[in-house]
Amino acid sequence: SAVISQKPSRDICQRGTSLTIQCQVDSQVTMMFWYRQQPGQSLTLIATANQGSEATYESGFVIDKFPISRPNLTFSTLTVSNMSPEDSSIYLCSVRQGQETQYFGPGTRLLVL
Amino acid sequence: QQQVKQSPQSLIVQKGGIPIINCAYENTAFDYFPWYQQFPGKGPALLIAIRPDVSEKKEGRFTISFNKSAKQFSLHIMDSQPGDSATYFCAASGSGNTGKLIFGQGTTLQVKP
Repeated sequence: SAVISQKPSRDICQRGTSLTIQCQVDSQVTMMFWYRQQPGQSLTLIATANQGSEATYESGFVIDKFPISRPNLTFSTLTVSNMSPEDSSIYLCSVRQGQETQYFGPGTRLLVL
Repeated sequence: QQQVKQSPQSLIVQKGGIPIINCAYENTAFDYFPWYQQFPGKGPALLIAIRPDVSEKKEGRFTISFNKSAKQFSLHIMDSQPGDSATYFCAASGSGNTGKLIFGQGTTLQVKP
């Protein structure tokens, strides 16, 4: 299975600022995803990070708020822009290996004050 | 139609008991059904997965039962241990939705010693 690391593991930020979360995978993968998990809730897909093209965003998520980069097949970043307390969540990077198996990183725990 | 409904929300069993978590879906295009286990402070870990061409799959103490006609699937944990205490998520995906995982609401399991 893929080994996924995320940086930072946690952060406390002031409202109005932005945070960039990094996701690194130990092997090349075609598909990478970013999820949000609000406190005590399930996982919600933010976007699919496409290598060499713009990310594909799910309903309710926009590029201006969550810009994503995917410069190669092992790395992606998610930026949470102009943060508010409602953005306090766990942000998870995920990759697909093979036809359907999906693995998750350890997550980035964000608290916005 | 994209929803996956999971129940119960929480579950408490004694050590050695067999907790059962149920999920139901509507989208007949779903053809891959994984279960994830998440411990506090960690990312979700893939536990076991099934495709609709089989009615049951067993890996160690974990068993998925699948009922295609009812559009339901469930996770059984045999001889449950306190170390199994975690949150469990079912999910579904299919070629019809570009392979994106749709998650259930999660079940928090507590196994008492």
